[in-house]
Amino acid sequence: EPEVTQTPSHQVTQMGQEVILRCVPISNHLYFYWYRQILGQKVEFLVSFYNNEISEKSEIFDDQFSVERPDGSNFTLKIRSTKLEDSAMYFCASRFRDISGELFFGEGSRLTVL
Amino acid sequence: TQLLEQSPQFLSIQEGENLTVYCNSSSVFSSLQWYRQEPGEGPVLLVTVVTGGEVKKLKRLTFQFGDARKDSSLHITAAQPGDTGLYLCAGVGSNYQLIWGAGTKLIIKP
Repeated sequence: EPEVTQTPSHQVTQMGQEVILRCVPISNHLYFYWYRQILGQKVEFLVSFYNNEISEKSEIFDDQFSVERPDGSNFTLKIRSTKLEDSAMYFCASRFRDISGELFFGEGSRLTVL
Repeated sequence: TQLLEQSPQFLSIQEGENLTVYCNSSSVFSSLQWYRQEPGEGPVLLVTVVTGGEVKKLKRLTFQFGDARKDSSLHITAAQPGDTGLYLCAGVGSNYQLIWGAGTKLIIKP
């Protein structure tokens, strides 16, 4: 069964370092998303991506964040200079069509910033 | 800003009991989704409700979308220990974002 895959499953980094989280969405999906979930808190929307550009982003997604789909397969989230408060689970998701199309989530990448 | 209030935040009941989880908002959603999340994993979609007043059943789980598409409920009949988990509602907002509830942590005791 097709699935969204994410790497790494867990990354520990020092504050101020750059981090790249990678996602491989399901191959025929058109809409891509990054969410994060700080431990014990609700899932938060970061950004949505369609047709090779950001379609929507939240207040959390500031200049320290960027997304890219470099090769038509991978969908990456980059954090330029990590802060302690960036520690969270980051989930990638994709769907074939928008509005009530099923959203498929990856298993998440746990980021720990020390 | 669209918000989705989910209640209760935590529920611990005995096997065989019934329960209802609620998601409420002052905003209208084009659709609303219910997810279940296991520790350390991503949310898994259970159901999407689209039409006001819609009721969908998934075995012992009954999902209802309010007539005005501002609220939804999840009802579990005869809960089983296997139903234990975090249940999340998410409304599809005005810009096709998902607006997430805070989740209901459900524990079913044998």
